[in-house]
Amino acid sequence: GQSLEQPSEVTAVEGAIVQINCTYQTSGFYGLSWYQQHDGGAPTFLSYNALDGLEETGRFSSFLSRSDSYGYLLLQELQMKDSASYFCAVRDQTYNTDKLIFGTGTRLQVFP
Amino acid sequence: GAGVSQSPSNKVTEKGKDVELRCDPISGHTALYWYRQSLGQGLEFLIYFQGNSAPDKSGLPSDRFSAERTGGSVSTLTIQRTQQEDSAVYLCASSLIGGNEKLFFGSGTQLSVL
Repeated sequence: GQSLEQPSEVTAVEGAIVQINCTYQTSGFYGLSWYQQHDGGAPTFLSYNALDGLEETGRFSSFLSRSDSYGYLLLQELQMKDSASYFCAVRDQTYNTDKLIFGTGTRLQVFP
Repeated sequence: GAGVSQSPSNKVTEKGKDVELRCDPISGHTALYWYRQSLGQGLEFLIYFQGNSAPDKSGLPSDRFSAERTGGSVSTLTIQRTQQEDSAVYLCASSLIGGNEKLFFGSGTQLSVL
C-alpha cells in the first residue's frame, strides 16, 4: 500500500522561507504531487515531480529524491495568503485503480 | 463547465435519512474521484470512475455508501441511513484522463448529520 508522512503544522513570518517535507512508502512510484487548500476551499494542484531534482514555479519549488523516498515543497518570500494546508500525494496504480493517495496535510500559518 | 461543480454546498440531515450528493465534472474529463475530508484531516479516497465504470470502490466505508456516474459526466454519491460519523466534507475531483496527476476539485459538500 501507500502511506505518506508530513509534519502537521509549520509556522513562519512574512517574507521568510519555509520547507514542508514529505516522506512516502509505496508499492510502485510514479511521482510526487503537491496540493494547496485554503480553509473552506477546494484543494488546488501546485506541482508534480516525476524525476529527482528541483522544479521551480515562481515562489514555490518542489524537490524529489526517489532514492530517499522523500520530497519537499519550498515556499519563498512568504505572504499572508500562503496560509493554507499543503498536501503531498502519490498515485496508486495497482490493479484496477488509478487514484491519488494524499498525506495528512501540513497546516502553514504565516504571521505578519 | 468552467470548473467542477458540487451540490448542495451544505446539507444538514437527521440520523437515519438518506442523502444524495451531486458532482458535475469539467466537460471532457473522463476520470472522476470522490474523497471525504473530516475537519482538519487529510483526504480519504472513496471511489474512482473511469467513464461510467467504477474500477475502484475500495474506499467506500460501508454498504450504506454507493455512487454512480452517467453519460460519462455527472456523478451522484448516495449515503443511506446516515450516521453522525458520516459528517464531513465530500469532495469531488476530475481529471482529463486517468493517471493524470492534476486533479481539479470542486468546493465540496459539507454534510452534517444530527
